[in-house]
Amino acid sequence: NAGVTQTPKFQVLKTGQSMTLQCAQDMNHEYMSWYRQDPGMGLRLIHYSVGAGITDQGEVPNGYNVSRSTTEDFPLRLLSAAPSQTSVYFCASSLLAGVPYNEQFFGPGTRLTVL
Amino acid sequence: AQSVSQHNHHVILSEAASLELGCNYSYGGTVNLFWYVQYPGQHLQLLLKYFSGDPLVKGIKGFEAEFIKSKFSFNLRKPSVQWSDTAEYFCAVNTGGFKTIFGAGTRLFVKA
Repeated sequence: NAGVTQTPKFQVLKTGQSMTLQCAQDMNHEYMSWYRQDPGMGLRLIHYSVGAGITDQGEVPNGYNVSRSTTEDFPLRLLSAAPSQTSVYFCASSLLAGVPYNEQFFGPGTRLTVL
Repeated sequence: AQSVSQHNHHVILSEAASLELGCNYSYGGTVNLFWYVQYPGQHLQLLLKYFSGDPLVKGIKGFEAEFIKSKFSFNLRKPSVQWSDTAEYFCAVNTGGFKTIFGAGTRLFVKA
């Protein structure tokens, strides 16, 4: 198993550009999520999904879109990048949605800089 | 809104010193508690978790944590740290929904 994979590892964007961060998992997990990690703020939940076709907002959803057309993939789209979106983005998955004690498995992260 | 507080943002210890990292959460109901670790250049991974039963839970690499409900705390401990424990440690809580809330993290540096 590759686990949770993310691409790209690094990305530099200009303000106003759009892009998609890719996330895939090969563990047949129901639940997938996107976090951003900023210094002194820990990980904050952007969006999550409890299964194909079902997504919902987390703590900081503004400026981001998600979709989940398959169990494996959960891309995160930045619609019009802003410097405030400079961050490290982590994708995570866990086996079952709605089981709050399931651990999450994290991808390696994407470091995004918006100029 | 639920929140998680980690009291120490940076901790520096010498090898063999004992470690205790504080974690408090704000929620009065049933909680599921986690400690995750991020070693330099690696993915976040689960260190240990509590969801029921014995409030003293043991994790990987000699770490343990104690859930004290009356104090809303879930502190992480290790009796003797090693240089390889240098990492960032995150406390997290799930109160039964689909969202897990993370603390701000504690960066631990262990001097050899």
